Amino acid sequence: EPEVTQTPSHQVTQMGQEVILRCVPISNHLYFYWYRQILGQKVEFLVSFYNNEISEKSEIFDDQFSVERPDGSNFTLKIRSTKLEDSAMYFCASSDHRGVGGYTFGSGTRLTVV
Amino acid sequence: KNEVEQSPQNLTAQEGEFITINCSYSVGISALHWLQQHPGGGIVSLFMLSSGKKKHGRLIATINIQEKHSSLHITASHPRDSAVYICAVLPGWYNNNDMRFGAGTRLTVKP
Repeated sequence: EPEVTQTPSHQVTQMGQEVILRCVPISNHLYFYWYRQILGQKVEFLVSFYNNEISEKSEIFDDQFSVERPDGSNFTLKIRSTKLEDSAMYFCASSDHRGVGGYTFGSGTRLTVV
Repeated sequence: KNEVEQSPQNLTAQEGEFITINCSYSVGISALHWLQQHPGGGIVSLFMLSSGKKKHGRLIATINIQEKHSSLHITASHPRDSAVYICAVLPGWYNNNDMRFGAGTRLTVKP
């Protein structure tokens, strides 16, 4: 069964450093998403991406965050200057159409900012 | 007020029991998802519903759009069903991808 692959599975970074979280969505999917889950809290939507541009973003997704699809397979989330409160599990997901075909989630990247 | 409410928050069952997890939401939706999150943290999509009922193995999901309510049932529960089950909705307004998540129901099935 096709999978969404995320790397790395764990990342520890110093406060103020830039991090890039990587995702390989399912190849024939057109919509890509990032979510985060702070430990003990519910999952929150960050951003959706379609046709090589952001289609929607939440209030959390401020200027410190950016997304990119640098080639035909990867989808990245960059945090420019990490803060302690960015520590969370970050999930990538993809779908073939908004909600209709269902979503496939990656296994997540646990980011720890120290 | 949370847009997606789940109950119960925690649920412990004996192996073989019938499980029901409930989800109520306050916004108009185009779809509702039931997700499973294992202890390692990974999320698996179980169902996507916009009406009626779906069944997959021992799992059944129903939705009542008029009442803004969905249920996830597990028949003949097994310890491997132990996980957090999350209800999430996709608001129904145009081109809205901002999925709203419930806080999850932690299910523990004891042998």
